[in-house]
Amino acid sequence: ETAVFQTPNYHVTQVGNEVSFNCKQTLGHDTMYWYKQDSKKLLKIMFSYNNKQLIVNETVPRRFSPQSSDKAHLNLRIKSVEPEDSAVYLCASSSDWGEQYFGPGTRLTVL
Amino acid sequence: GQQVQQSPTSLVLQEGENAELQCNFSTSLNSMQWFYQRPGGSLISVFYNPSGTKQSGRLTSTTVIKERRSSLHISSSQITDSGTYLCAMERDMGYKLTFGTGTSLLVDP
Repeated sequence: ETAVFQTPNYHVTQVGNEVSFNCKQTLGHDTMYWYKQDSKKLLKIMFSYNNKQLIVNETVPRRFSPQSSDKAHLNLRIKSVEPEDSAVYLCASSSDWGEQYFGPGTRLTVL
Repeated sequence: GQQVQQSPTSLVLQEGENAELQCNFSTSLNSMQWFYQRPGGSLISVFYNPSGTKQSGRLTSTTVIKERRSSLHISSSQITDSGTYLCAMERDMGYKLTFGTGTSLLVDP
């Protein structure tokens, strides 16, 4: 099956903890993305990588750090979570700047 | 200001009615994409439409890049069409999508 896969589906944690989300795509794409969807359902870009190189970093707090081991994987680490980090984190991939395909998302709840 | 404006914000239809969703862009764009999302569900790409008209079953998308607008037409709506429809644009190979706030569609039996 070719698609975008994310783990975990859900994660509940407390303020100050570190969390890590994984994303893998089997579509053979060169570009991967992380988006954040807040409680009002608004989607905003966080990062994009092209061939393991960071291309876009949209004024994301420094506690967020993307990690790309190869062009099929793009993970997201949050060093010390805060309540406003509660959201759904969506990973996507595309062939260069073409059509984007999204994973199922990881819902983070920070208590 | 909001670069991608969608209308209407919400829409209620009786099953079988048609719907027209609009998306307007305040800046020039290279391409745009329509997505469908169920509550708690993932984003499903409905159309990738740099320009022109595309049809898939009961859905038709028309994008006019020069006029910075796109529309999504749903004909003979079904209950299963209920959900949120999002449009997004990409500017000049910018490696990111800018999303609108979505249209929430409810189709009643």
